[in-house]
Amino acid sequence: AQSVAQPEDQVNVAEGNPLTVKCTYSVSGNPYLFWYVQYPNRGLQFLLKYITGDNLVKGSYGFEAEFNKSQTSFHLKKPSALVSDSALYFCAVRDILRFGAGTRLTVKP
Amino acid sequence: DGGITQSPKYLFRKEGQNVTLSCEQNLNHDAMYWYRQDPGQGLRLIYYSQIVNDFQKGDIAEGYSVSREKKESFPLTVTSAQKNPTAFYLCASSIDSQGTRNTEAFFGQGTRLTVV
Repeated sequence: AQSVAQPEDQVNVAEGNPLTVKCTYSVSGNPYLFWYVQYPNRGLQFLLKYITGDNLVKGSYGFEAEFNKSQTSFHLKKPSALVSDSALYFCAVRDILRFGAGTRLTVKP
Repeated sequence: DGGITQSPKYLFRKEGQNVTLSCEQNLNHDAMYWYRQDPGQGLRLIYYSQIVNDFQKGDIAEGYSVSREKKESFPLTVTSAQKNPTAFYLCASSIDSQGTRNTEAFFGQGTRLTVV
């Protein structure tokens, strides 16, 4: 079965600093990997995806993710965090769309 | 506007009652999904449907039922057999044309179900 894991429940960063939210995956075959963001009491919004090609994927709101096949990782990154980036972030994998447990990102002024 | 609509936003149910959550999409998407989210936890897959008139159980299907009679609609019924139904329920859809599995999903705004 395909699955993803998010090893950190919580990530805290200062505004203006770079941020990383970690995700590792377990799949058979080529992975289709996604990142989503959720604000309080709302549905999820798509940020970016990796299908094939360049290992560095750029997405919405200045986010990017680095696919690393040897480490089976797909970490979400942003060079300079904003307070408004504070939210719950989910990594996901397909064939059937399954999610990690989520990481709560808090950006402090 | 194109999108995926869940209703109602808040729902209260008495113990022992069945309740149906609505999910409608006008995106012409083939696949639809239902997830359950508990406080501080991730999304767990309840049911999914990749085509009209067909659906499969997800990881936590017990106590739930679905139908997919129309492409646009994928209602979820929470039955009295579901032991702990209080949760936030999310519906999603993805285009998945010709069997592709690399498309992103679009989500509704969720229904918060509370058993009283």
